[in-house]
Amino acid sequence: DAKTTQPNSMESNEEEPVHLPCNHSTISGTDYIHWYRQLPSQGPEYVIHGLTSNVNNRMASLAIAEDRKSSTLILHRATLRDAAVYYCIFPSVAGGSEKLVFGKGTKLTVNP
Amino acid sequence: NAGVTQTPKFQVLKTGQSMTLQCAQDMNHNSMYWYRQDPGMGLRLIYYSASEGTTDKGEVPNGYNVSRLNKREFSLRLESAAPSQTSVYFCASRSQDPPYEQYFGPGTRLTVT
Repeated sequence: DAKTTQPNSMESNEEEPVHLPCNHSTISGTDYIHWYRQLPSQGPEYVIHGLTSNVNNRMASLAIAEDRKSSTLILHRATLRDAAVYYCIFPSVAGGSEKLVFGKGTKLTVNP
Repeated sequence: NAGVTQTPKFQVLKTGQSMTLQCAQDMNHNSMYWYRQDPGMGLRLIYYSASEGTTDKGEVPNGYNVSRLNKREFSLRLESAAPSQTSVYFCASRSQDPPYEQYFGPGTRLTVT
Protein backbone atom coordinates (compact mmCIF):
# COMPACT_ATOMS: atom_id res chain seq x y z
CA ASP A 1 0.00 0.00 0.00
CA ALA A 2 1.21 3.51 -0.78
CA LYS A 3 2.39 5.34 2.33
CA THR A 4 1.18 8.84 3.19
CA THR A 5 2.61 11.50 5.48
CA GLN A 6 0.42 14.27 6.91
CA PRO A 7 1.04 16.84 9.65
CA ASN A 8 -0.52 15.80 12.94
CA SER A 9 -2.41 19.06 13.36
CA MET A 10 -3.14 22.41 11.74
CA GLU A 11 -4.98 25.52 12.82
CA SER A 12 -6.96 28.07 10.86
CA ASN A 13 -9.24 31.02 11.43
CA GLU A 14 -12.84 31.00 10.32
CA GLU A 15 -13.46 32.19 6.74
CA GLU A 16 -9.78 31.87 5.82
CA PRO A 17 -8.46 29.33 3.30
CA VAL A 18 -6.83 26.16 4.58
CA HIS A 19 -4.25 24.08 2.74
CA LEU A 20 -3.85 20.55 4.09
CA PRO A 21 -0.76 18.81 2.67
CA CYS A 22 -0.12 15.12 2.08
CA ASN A 23 3.14 13.54 0.93
CA HIS A 24 2.95 10.23 -0.90
CA SER A 25 6.32 9.60 -2.49
CA THR A 26 5.65 5.86 -3.04
CA ILE A 27 2.47 6.39 -5.03
CA SER A 28 2.09 4.30 -8.17
CA GLY A 29 0.87 5.57 -11.49
CA THR A 30 -2.61 4.12 -11.07
CA ASP A 31 -3.28 5.04 -7.43
CA TYR A 32 -6.14 7.44 -6.90
CA ILE A 33 -5.74 9.97 -4.10
CA HIS A 34 -8.79 10.07 -1.83
CA TRP A 35 -9.52 12.45 1.03
CA TYR A 36 -11.93 11.68 3.83
CA ARG A 37 -12.69 13.66 6.96
CA GLN A 38 -14.03 12.66 10.35
CA LEU A 39 -16.05 15.15 12.34
CA PRO A 40 -16.02 14.72 16.14
CA SER A 41 -17.92 11.63 17.29
CA GLN A 42 -18.91 10.67 13.75
CA GLY A 43 -17.80 8.19 11.11
CA PRO A 44 -15.55 9.38 8.29
CA GLU A 45 -17.08 10.97 5.20
CA TYR A 46 -15.75 11.21 1.66
CA VAL A 47 -14.46 14.64 0.62
CA ILE A 48 -12.80 14.41 -2.78
CA HIS A 49 -10.54 12.29 -4.97
CA GLY A 50 -8.22 12.70 -7.95
CA LEU A 51 -5.62 10.98 -10.13
CA THR A 52 -3.52 13.56 -11.96
CA SER A 53 -5.52 16.72 -12.57
CA ASN A 54 -6.66 19.20 -9.97
CA VAL A 55 -10.25 18.61 -8.88
CA ASN A 56 -13.00 20.77 -7.44
CA ASN A 57 -16.30 19.89 -5.81
CA ARG A 58 -18.75 21.62 -3.51
CA MET A 59 -16.73 20.71 -0.41
CA ALA A 60 -13.12 21.36 -1.42
CA SER A 61 -10.43 21.44 -4.08
CA LEU A 62 -7.61 18.96 -4.57
CA ALA A 63 -4.31 20.13 -6.00
CA ILE A 64 -2.01 17.32 -7.16
CA ALA A 65 1.68 17.91 -7.80
CA GLU A 66 2.94 17.24 -11.30
CA ASP A 67 5.09 14.32 -10.09
CA ARG A 68 2.14 13.07 -7.97
CA LYS A 69 4.37 12.71 -4.93
CA SER A 70 2.27 15.19 -2.96
CA SER A 71 -1.18 16.69 -2.93
CA THR A 72 -3.01 19.44 -1.07
CA LEU A 73 -6.61 19.57 0.05
CA ILE A 74 -7.88 23.14 -0.09
CA LEU A 75 -10.82 24.43 1.91
CA HIS A 76 -11.47 27.84 0.38
CA ARG A 77 -13.24 29.38 3.38
CA ALA A 78 -12.98 27.38 6.57
CA THR A 79 -16.03 27.25 8.81
CA LEU A 80 -16.34 25.96 12.34
CA ARG A 81 -18.06 22.91 10.89
CA ASP A 82 -14.85 22.04 9.01
CA ALA A 83 -13.05 21.23 12.27
CA ALA A 84 -12.26 17.55 11.81
CA VAL A 85 -9.51 15.00 11.21
CA TYR A 86 -8.62 14.87 7.52
CA TYR A 87 -7.25 11.68 6.01
CA CYS A 88 -5.32 11.34 2.75
CA ILE A 89 -5.77 7.74 1.54
CA PHE A 90 -4.93 5.43 -1.34
CA PRO A 91 -7.55 2.73 -1.85
CA SER A 92 -6.07 -0.67 -2.57
CA VAL A 93 -7.96 -3.38 -4.41
CA ALA A 94 -7.75 -6.89 -3.01
CA GLY A 95 -10.13 -9.81 -2.86
CA GLY A 96 -12.53 -8.16 -5.26
CA SER A 97 -13.06 -5.12 -3.10
CA GLU A 98 -11.43 -1.79 -2.52
CA LYS A 99 -9.94 -1.20 0.91
CA LEU A 100 -9.04 2.06 2.63
CA VAL A 101 -5.98 2.23 4.87
CA PHE A 102 -6.27 5.11 7.33
CA GLY A 103 -3.26 6.80 8.92
CA LYS A 104 -3.61 9.24 11.82
CA GLY A 105 -4.61 12.12 9.56
CA THR A 106 -4.41 15.86 10.25
CA LYS A 107 -6.53 17.33 13.00
CA LEU A 108 -7.81 20.71 11.81
CA THR A 109 -8.82 23.28 14.41
CA VAL A 110 -10.85 26.26 13.19
CA ASN A 111 -10.83 29.35 15.40
CA PRO A 112 -13.82 31.71 15.42
CA ASN B 1 -32.41 6.73 2.61
CA ALA B 2 -31.04 5.98 6.07
CA GLY B 3 -27.59 5.18 4.65
CA VAL B 4 -25.56 2.96 6.98
CA THR B 5 -27.10 2.17 10.36
CA GLN B 6 -25.46 0.47 13.31
CA THR B 7 -26.79 -0.95 16.55
CA PRO B 8 -26.19 -0.58 19.41
CA LYS B 9 -24.68 2.91 19.80
CA PHE B 10 -23.05 2.06 23.11
CA GLN B 11 -22.24 -1.22 24.87
CA VAL B 12 -20.39 -2.26 28.00
CA LEU B 13 -19.26 -5.88 28.29
CA LYS B 14 -17.41 -7.85 30.89
CA THR B 15 -14.33 -9.80 29.84
CA GLY B 16 -15.38 -13.11 28.30
CA GLN B 17 -18.89 -12.04 27.30
CA SER B 18 -20.01 -12.23 23.71
CA MET B 19 -22.01 -9.87 21.55
CA THR B 20 -22.92 -9.08 17.96
CA LEU B 21 -22.73 -5.64 16.40
CA GLN B 22 -25.32 -5.11 13.70
CA CYS B 23 -24.90 -3.10 10.51
CA ALA B 24 -27.30 -2.48 7.64
CA GLN B 25 -27.21 -0.34 4.51
CA ASP B 26 -30.04 0.60 2.18
CA MET B 27 -27.97 1.79 -0.80
CA ASN B 28 -27.77 -1.61 -2.56
CA HIS B 29 -23.98 -1.68 -2.20
CA ASN B 30 -22.07 -4.91 -2.78
CA SER B 31 -19.06 -4.20 -0.55
CA MET B 32 -19.28 -3.74 3.19
CA TYR B 33 -16.60 -3.24 5.85
CA TRP B 34 -15.96 -3.31 9.59
CA TYR B 35 -13.33 -1.00 11.10
CA ARG B 36 -12.21 -0.25 14.62
CA GLN B 37 -10.81 3.04 15.87
CA ASP B 38 -8.79 3.31 19.05
CA PRO B 39 -8.33 6.69 20.77
CA GLY B 40 -6.17 9.10 18.78
CA MET B 41 -5.71 6.60 15.96
CA GLY B 42 -6.94 6.15 12.45
CA LEU B 43 -9.38 3.40 11.51
CA ARG B 44 -8.14 -0.17 11.05
CA LEU B 45 -9.93 -2.71 8.87
CA ILE B 46 -11.18 -5.81 10.71
CA TYR B 47 -13.12 -7.69 8.00
CA TYR B 48 -14.73 -6.88 4.72
CA SER B 49 -17.22 -8.45 2.34
CA ALA B 50 -16.94 -7.86 -1.40
CA SER B 51 -20.39 -9.33 -2.05
CA GLU B 52 -23.17 -11.31 -0.44
CA GLY B 53 -21.82 -14.65 0.71
CA THR B 54 -18.14 -13.67 0.80
CA THR B 55 -16.00 -12.32 3.62
CA ASP B 56 -12.27 -11.67 3.97
CA LYS B 57 -9.89 -10.72 6.76
CA GLY B 58 -8.55 -7.22 7.05
CA GLU B 59 -5.65 -5.89 9.09
CA VAL B 60 -6.84 -6.88 12.60
CA PRO B 61 -9.26 -9.86 12.39
CA ASN B 62 -8.21 -11.79 15.50
CA GLY B 63 -10.97 -12.13 18.09
CA TYR B 64 -13.76 -11.33 15.63
CA ASN B 65 -16.10 -13.16 13.28
CA VAL B 66 -18.42 -11.73 10.66
CA SER B 67 -21.55 -12.76 8.79
CA ARG B 68 -22.83 -11.27 5.57
CA LEU B 69 -26.44 -12.22 6.18
CA ASN B 70 -27.73 -10.75 2.92
CA LYS B 71 -26.87 -7.82 0.70
CA ARG B 72 -28.07 -5.31 3.29
CA GLU B 73 -26.64 -6.68 6.50
CA PHE B 74 -23.11 -7.35 7.75
CA SER B 75 -22.66 -8.29 11.41
CA LEU B 76 -19.55 -8.42 13.59
CA ARG B 77 -19.34 -10.87 16.48
CA LEU B 78 -17.05 -10.87 19.48
CA GLU B 79 -17.10 -14.42 20.88
CA SER B 80 -15.14 -13.71 24.07
CA ALA B 81 -14.59 -10.02 24.63
CA ALA B 82 -11.24 -8.76 25.93
CA PRO B 83 -10.28 -5.30 27.28
CA SER B 84 -8.07 -4.85 24.19
CA GLN B 85 -11.25 -4.80 22.11
CA THR B 86 -12.44 -1.60 23.79
CA SER B 87 -12.82 0.69 20.80
CA VAL B 88 -15.25 2.47 18.52
CA TYR B 89 -16.49 0.22 15.72
CA PHE B 90 -17.54 1.60 12.35
CA CYS B 91 -19.36 -0.20 9.59
CA ALA B 92 -19.14 1.07 6.01
CA SER B 93 -20.40 0.23 2.55
CA ARG B 94 -18.90 1.18 -0.80
CA SER B 95 -20.60 2.66 -3.80
CA GLN B 96 -20.41 0.77 -7.12
CA ASP B 97 -20.34 4.07 -9.02
CA PRO B 98 -17.46 6.55 -9.38
CA PRO B 99 -15.88 7.84 -7.21
CA TYR B 100 -16.54 4.55 -5.35
CA GLU B 101 -16.63 6.29 -2.01
CA GLN B 102 -17.27 4.52 1.26
CA TYR B 103 -20.21 5.54 3.44
CA PHE B 104 -19.77 5.09 7.17
CA GLY B 105 -22.23 4.44 9.95
CA PRO B 106 -22.30 6.46 13.19
CA GLY B 107 -20.26 3.92 15.12
CA THR B 108 -20.66 1.68 18.17
CA ARG B 109 -18.69 2.64 21.26
CA LEU B 110 -17.71 -0.60 23.04
CA THR B 111 -16.11 -0.82 26.46
CA VAL B 112 -14.86 -4.15 27.81
CA THR B 113 -14.11 -4.19 31.55
